[in-house]
Amino acid sequence: ETGVTQTPRHLVMGMTNKKSLKCEQHLGHNAMYWYKQSAKKPLELMFVYNFKEQTENNSVPSRFSPECPNSSHLFLHLHTLQPEDSALYLCASSPGLGLASGELFFGEGSRLTVL
Amino acid sequence: GQNIDQPTEMTATEGAIVQINCTYQTSGFNGLFWYQQHAGEAPTFLSYNVLDGLEEKGRFSSFLSRSKGYSYLLLKELQMKDSASYLCAVRDGDYKLSFGAGTTVTVRA
Repeated sequence: ETGVTQTPRHLVMGMTNKKSLKCEQHLGHNAMYWYKQSAKKPLELMFVYNFKEQTENNSVPSRFSPECPNSSHLFLHLHTLQPEDSALYLCASSPGLGLASGELFFGEGSRLTVL
Repeated sequence: GQNIDQPTEMTATEGAIVQINCTYQTSGFNGLFWYQQHAGEAPTFLSYNVLDGLEEKGRFSSFLSRSKGYSYLLLKELQMKDSASYLCAVRDGDYKLSFGAGTTVTVRA
C-alpha cells in the first residue's frame, strides 16, 4: 500500500470509446503525475500538476486529457485512442516540486488495452 | 535528450550478490533514484544518491559517481522475493525524473 490508489486496474476499450482513469492519493502531497509504461521501455512522463495547476504537458496527444480538481485527485480522460496507446498508466505523487519534491510514490497502475 | 542505460535482464542464485549498473547522460543532475517494481505492482522507492559515494540500507546499497555518470545498485544475500524489475531514474531539474527501461532480476533457488 503506497497511499496512491488507481482505478480501474484493468480497462479494455475500443477506439471510439470514451473512458477515464482515476487516481487518488492519501499522503497529503501537492504534486501529482501521470506516467506511461510500455513493455521494455522507460517510463514516460505525461503530465505534472502542482497545487491543481498543470506544470508539465510532455507533448502528449490531445486524445489524452488530464483533470486535477484538487491536490488529492487526478484523472486521465481518454477518447478515440489508438492500439499503440495500450500500456500501463501509472499515477504518482510527491510532496511538492523543486527542493520539496522528494521521491515519487506510485500507484499500482491502470492496464489499458485498446482494441 | 536524456539517455539512461541499464542491462535488460540479470539472473542470480538465492543467497548470492547481484550488481545492477546504470549509466546516464542527462542535461542536468539533481539526484539519482532506484525503484523496485514487482510484476503487476507499483514501483517502490529503494534509494536516493545526490553526492558521490555509497549509501547502504540493509541488504541493498547504491553507489554514485557523478563525474563518470554512473551508479550501481547492489543486492546482497538475495532472496526469492527480490525477483523484480529495478528502475534507475535521474532527476535532471526541479522535479522531472528520467527513467531507464529497467533491469529484470530473476533469483533462482
